[in-house]
Amino acid sequence: EPEVTQTPSHQVTQMGQEVILRCVPISNHLYFYWYRQILGQKVEFLVSFYNNEISEKSEIFDDQFSVERPDGSNFTLKIRSTKLEDSAMYFCASSENLDYYNEQFFGPGTRLTVL
Amino acid sequence: EDKVVQSPLSLVVHEGDTVTLNCSYEVTNFRSLLWYKQEKKAPTFLFMLTSSGIEKKSGRLSSILDKKELFSILNITATQTGDSAIYLCAVDSGYGANNLFFGTGTRLTVIP
Repeated sequence: EPEVTQTPSHQVTQMGQEVILRCVPISNHLYFYWYRQILGQKVEFLVSFYNNEISEKSEIFDDQFSVERPDGSNFTLKIRSTKLEDSAMYFCASSENLDYYNEQFFGPGTRLTVL
Repeated sequence: EDKVVQSPLSLVVHEGDTVTLNCSYEVTNFRSLLWYKQEKKAPTFLFMLTSSGIEKKSGRLSSILDKKELFSILNITATQTGDSAIYLCAVDSGYGANNLFFGTGTRLTVIP
């Protein structure tokens, strides 16, 4: 069964460093998303991406964040200068968007720890 | 401000019990409501509900939406220890590329 994959599963970084989180969405999907979940808190939407550009972003997704689809399969989230409060589980999701209603399939997540 | 509220926050039951999880929402625009099960890591999709009063069923799980009263319930009958997880309710408010607005989840623990 096709699934969304994410690498790495766990990333530890120093405050101020740049990190890139990688995702491979399901191959025939057209919409891609990043969410984050701070430990003990709810899942929060960050950004959605379609046709090589950002469709929508939340207020969490400020200038230190960027997304890219560098090739036909990968979808990346870059955090330019990490802060302690960026420590969270980051989930990538994708959806097929054949019609008006479609479910999003989530990857296993990357746990980011900023020291 | 869009809001999704789930109750109870946590629930402990014995195997074989039936549970009902609640999700109420207030959003400026509604397209669909989704239920996910989150065990160790990624939320896994359970149901998508778009119309009132139509029950969706998958094995021992079922769910229904009431768009007039703005809530949904998720029922699990004959619970098993493998049902222990956090159950997430999310609303697709339909803006742009269907970003999901999640509730805080209900943590269900099923004890043998």
